[in-house]
Amino acid sequence: QVQLQESGPGLVKPSQTLSLTCTVSGGSIRNGDYYWSWIRQHPGKGLEWIGNIYYSGGTYYNPSLDSRLTISIETSKNQFSLKLTSVTAADTAVYYCARVEKKEIDFDQWGRGTLVTVSS
Amino acid sequence: DIQMTQSPSSLSASVGDRVTITCRASQRINSFLNWYQQKPGKAPKLLIYAASTLQSGVPSRFSGGGSGTDFTLTISSLQPEDFATYICQQGYRTPWTFGLGTTVEIK
Repeated sequence: QVQLQESGPGLVKPSQTLSLTCTVSGGSIRNGDYYWSWIRQHPGKGLEWIGNIYYSGGTYYNPSLDSRLTISIETSKNQFSLKLTSVTAADTAVYYCARVEKKEIDFDQWGRGTLVTVSS
Repeated sequence: DIQMTQSPSSLSASVGDRVTITCRASQRINSFLNWYQQKPGKAPKLLIYAASTLQSGVPSRFSGGGSGTDFTLTISSLQPEDFATYICQQGYRTPWTFGLGTTVEIK
């Protein structure tokens, strides 16, 4: 059973860069049947897909975040990462990493999520 | 972006009730529709993918239907552990989008 775990700072100052890493265990991030994705959920709100990456390094980003977003992958460590620049209070959310089944585009495995608060 | 609209936004039901939740897409998405269950403070859990296929390990009282723009999630006999928020998601076109959820509460 694949497991995902988010890690990174829980507090980021406005205008700085939010950085998170997702560590995958119990399976290889090189599995070509899956994308690896970031999703966020603002407090008390719905889910927002941020973007995803394939093991080869190819990415898809949500256009609403594209100009501030970088998702990268490190296959040797079975990890992928998120960087979001110039954050504001509107980026305060629970951030999830998830595995996406490539054929049906369903998020079939999720991390527990990590709350990131943007505040000075 | 494809908008996903769920109805109702919340409902109250009793153990043993049959419950149906609707999700409508703003354009045709074929069968690229998935359903998730989310409990407070937890990550969503995949219940149904491709509109009607039950994810491994999910009880058979959950079922999904529909195609095109209109979809349903049905719980045939509500159990105590089913009180949660149910969320639909389209995987037809990026940006992949989610509905706002339907909260099933205890009557």
